[in-house]
This record gives sequence, C-alpha cells and structure tokens, in this order.
Amino acid sequence: AQTVTQSQPEMSVQEAETVTLSCTYDTSESDYYLFWYKQPPSRQMILVIRQEAYKQQNATENRFSVNFQKAAKSFSLKISDSQLGDAAMYFCAYRSADFGNEKLTFGTGTRLTIIP
Amino acid sequence: GAVVSQHPSRVICKSGTSVKIECRSLDFQATTMFWYRQFPKQSLMLMATSNEGSKATYEQGVEKDKFLINHASLTLSTLTVTSAHPEDSSFYICSARDRLAGGQTQYFGPGTRLLVL
Repeated sequence: AQTVTQSQPEMSVQEAETVTLSCTYDTSESDYYLFWYKQPPSRQMILVIRQEAYKQQNATENRFSVNFQKAAKSFSLKISDSQLGDAAMYFCAYRSADFGNEKLTFGTGTRLTIIP
Repeated sequence: GAVVSQHPSRVICKSGTSVKIECRSLDFQATTMFWYRQFPKQSLMLMATSNEGSKATYEQGVEKDKFLINHASLTLSTLTVTSAHPEDSSFYICSARDRLAGGQTQYFGPGTRLLVL
C-alpha cells in the first residue's frame, strides 16, 4: 500500500517570503500522480498543483511550484511571495495511474501560518 | 468549471436517526465519486468509492450497512448515515472525477459537518 508522509505539522513564513513544504511517499508503482491540496479555514479542499510521475519537468502554477524527485520519492511544494490568503492546511496526496484505482492517499497535512 | 456541491453544509441530529448527505457535480459528469471523513485536526480518510449505476466499494473497516451510498446518476451521489451515534460526528467530504476531462483530478465539495447528539 502507498503511504504519504508530511513531516512538518506546522510551518510559518513572513509575508512576501518563500516557504517550502515537504512530502515524501512510498510506492512500488512507476506511474502515478501527485497532488498538493489546500484546505483553508472554510475546509473547502482546493487543488493547488498536480504532477504526473512520467513527466520530468516540475509543475508550476503561478507562485506555486514543486520539486519532484522521483528516485528519492520526494514531492515538495514551494510557495513564493507568500500572501495572507495562503494560510491553510496543505495536504500532499498520491494517486495511482492504474485505471480503476483512483483513490487518493493523503498525508497528515502541514498547517501554514503567514506572518504579516 | 469543476464545481462540486454538498447538502446540507451542517446537520445536527439525535442519536438513532438517519442522515442523508448529497453530493452533486454541477457542471460535469462524474462516473466516480468519493466519500471521505475528516476528524478535527486530522487528514482525510477515504470511506468509499461510489460508482454510477453499481455498488460502492468500501474501504476496510467501513461498515457498508451503516454508511449507505447511492450513485443513481452521473451528477449525484448520496451518503446515508443510518442509526447515527455520537461517534459518527465528523466532517464528511465528497469528491468527484470529471470523466470527460480525462479525470486525473478529484474536485471536492465544501463538506458537511455532522453532529450527533
């Protein structure tokens, strides 16, 4: 079974600075998808960024980018120019690429605080 | 696009009663929907996978007779918590996969907070 580990329960960053959230995973599969979801106080899960394992290029979405190291099974999220609205729980998630096995396995989350 | 709604957003019920939660994909068709449970300050735990027109697939340890799932159309799945007890109090979240868009991403509903007295 796949597992996802987020070793940082809490992180904080000054507004406008850069922060990196860590995520490692364990799998025997070669093809899969990785996600970062954000859960603000409203508890609505919002997709931040997605990475396909077969792509070597790291995904980027505006201020959000990932450092995907397949051999190391590492998938960190970098948030640049942090904004107050970035404050939330961030969950890393894994999904198999196998058709019919679409469930997401989540990490335990990292609570990000933005310091004004 | 890719909006998922849930109803109700919160519900309080007495122990022993049943509660139905609806999950709708508003602007896409979802052959597969997922039901998660989240306890305070914890991660999301998958309860079951809901497949349109067929029986749901439950995760190990989830009682299928207690958590009834129906996925009668491509835009609606329901979760019924039968004979609810205080330990069923939790935050229930559904998600849906956009079948026509290739479906690699799950989009989440806003969640339903259930409190059983």
